[in-house]
Amino acid sequence: EDQVTQSPEALRLQEGESSSLNCSYTVSGLRGLFWYRQDPGKGPEFLFTLYSAGEEKEKERLKATLTKKESFLHITAPKPEDSATYLCAVDRGSYIPTFGRGTSLIVHP
Amino acid sequence: DAGITQSPRHKVTETGTPVTLRCHQTENHRYMYWYRQDPGHGLRLIHYSYGVKDTDKGEVSDGYSVSRSKTEDFLLTLESATSSQTSVYFCAISEILGLDDTEAFFGQGTRLTVV
Repeated sequence: EDQVTQSPEALRLQEGESSSLNCSYTVSGLRGLFWYRQDPGKGPEFLFTLYSAGEEKEKERLKATLTKKESFLHITAPKPEDSATYLCAVDRGSYIPTFGRGTSLIVHP
Repeated sequence: DAGITQSPRHKVTETGTPVTLRCHQTENHRYMYWYRQDPGHGLRLIHYSYGVKDTDKGEVSDGYSVSRSKTEDFLLTLESATSSQTSVYFCAISEILGLDDTEAFFGQGTRLTVV
């Protein structure tokens, strides 16, 4: 059974205080790992897909990395508008994403 | 933004009544999914479809059925709603466009309350 564990559950940062979110996974034959952002009352919004260990992708203040056991979402110099819940999901080739429970990020001005 | 529309966006229904939620897409994507999202559980897959009339169960399918008679529409039915089915329901779509282009896109969600 695929397992996706995200940590921490909640994170509070001051504006400009960089940090990382973790997504550890147990899946046989990972095809892809996805990161999403979800704002309150809205559906998840796609951020990144990572396919192989060592791969990195960046978008504005966000950078996602992947190893054989986990992925990190690094947030550099965050702003209040980065406040959201960040979701991680894995797919082992069935094209059916399995999601973690998410990390709720609050960035204080 | 991906063309996904969920209806209704909000619904309150009574225990024991049937309820149907609709997901409509304009992207002609093959895969469609229904998830529910609850505090402490995250997104959990209810049912999914990999083509017209091709559907399968997810991890929390009990009490739910689906139908897909057209590529663009995926219906989720609660045969007899229970309070445990109070949740936010999300539809998602995806397509295998290439090795690096298979992510799922989500609708805005339907908030269902069973009283």
